[in-house]
This record gives sequence, structure tokens and C-alpha cells, in this order.
Amino acid sequence: SQQGEEDPQALSIQEGENATMNCSYKTSINNLQWYRQNSGRGLVHLILIRSNEREKHSGRLRVTLDTSKKSSSLLITASRAADTASYFCATDDRGKTSYDKVIFGPGTSLSVIP
Amino acid sequence: DTAVSQTPKYLVTQMGNDKSIKCEQNLGHDTMYWYKQDSKKFLKIMFSYNNKELIINETVPNRFSPKSPDKAHLNLHINSLELGDSAVYFCASSQRGVGANYGYTFGSGTRLTVV
Repeated sequence: SQQGEEDPQALSIQEGENATMNCSYKTSINNLQWYRQNSGRGLVHLILIRSNEREKHSGRLRVTLDTSKKSSSLLITASRAADTASYFCATDDRGKTSYDKVIFGPGTSLSVIP
Repeated sequence: DTAVSQTPKYLVTQMGNDKSIKCEQNLGHDTMYWYKQDSKKFLKIMFSYNNKELIINETVPNRFSPKSPDKAHLNLHINSLELGDSAVYFCASSQRGVGANYGYTFGSGTRLTVV
């Protein structure tokens, strides 16, 4: 089944810098989502971008989607120590059913150093 | 109020035992999921129920049996636990057909350790 692959696997930056994470996927999608997971916690939905959208913003988050390259990027501007977490991209996969199934990539571990 | 709550948060048990994890959501969603996250943080879907009907059943050993008494609850029973079952299990919920459009709401996870 299709799956997003995040890049890099791990990223360490200083507070105040921007963080960019990339996601590549294999097949056509209806939409792509980004989630954050703090250590020991569940995943939190950050943003969803549809296949007919190219860019979306939410606060300090900016997501782009290039369906021709089957890739997406998540930019966190002016990072804070509290942004330290793992970030996952997720793509829908209808498979053989009419129900949407979300497949997660392996994630990018972001460390923001105060 | 917690939107998606799982119990227990931690579960340590011996090989061969049978255990259950419970999940409840108060969001009014009609679809619920179980995901397994391994030690490398890779998330894999296991099951999904829509209005108490099983709609996604991935390649999971039949020692794992989900049960949904109503659309607000989805429990996971595991028989004859093995060392390889050690992982964090996440419950999630969404609204049917648009779960992939509006995102999933996850519980905080159940860390299962089999010794």
C-alpha cells in the first residue's frame, strides 16, 4: 500500500530557526495530512491539504503539496522548544473499499534547542 | 473532557496472557480505529469500525480481536500475548468518509509490554 516517507529522519535546530520536513508518497492521493506527536503522547492533527491545493497555512505552519512530484513539505517558522516532537505525514488510501484509510509515514524527529 | 480516551495507559503482562484495551470517544464520530506503533515509531493500522461494522481489517494475527459494542466504543482483545506484541496501541476516531478529509483524533495510547 502507498506510504509517505518523511525526510529527514531527524532534525536538530536552534530556537528561532525555521524547520523544514519533507514527505514523499507513491501513488495518487485525495489529500495529505501532517500530524505531531509529543513524546509519550498521541498524535495531534496539524493540517490537511487537498490534492487540488498547492499551499496551506496555519499559524507558524506552512504546508506545500506538489502532486507532480508526489511530495509535500512542512515548514515551521520561528521554532520554539515546545515544537520538539515527531512529525508524521499521512496519505489516504482507498484501497479496495470505499472507506478512506490513512497511512502514516515513519516520521521526522525534530529537536529544537533553546 | 478527553475526546478519545484509552485505558489502561500502561499494561505489563506475561507471555501467554490475554488482555484487553478499551477506547471511548465522545466526539460523536462514527468511525474508530486501532493503530499499532512500534519501537521505531512506525504507525500501522490494524482495524477500523464504522457504526459497529468492521470495515478495515489489516493483516493482523487472529489473536487480536476488536469489538465495537456501539459507535462510541472500540475495544481490542489480545489472546496469548507474545513478546512481539509489545508496542504502543493507539485508538483514533473520525467521521465516516471524511476521516481522511478532516483528520483523525487520537487517544494518548496504551503502552503494552510483554515480558
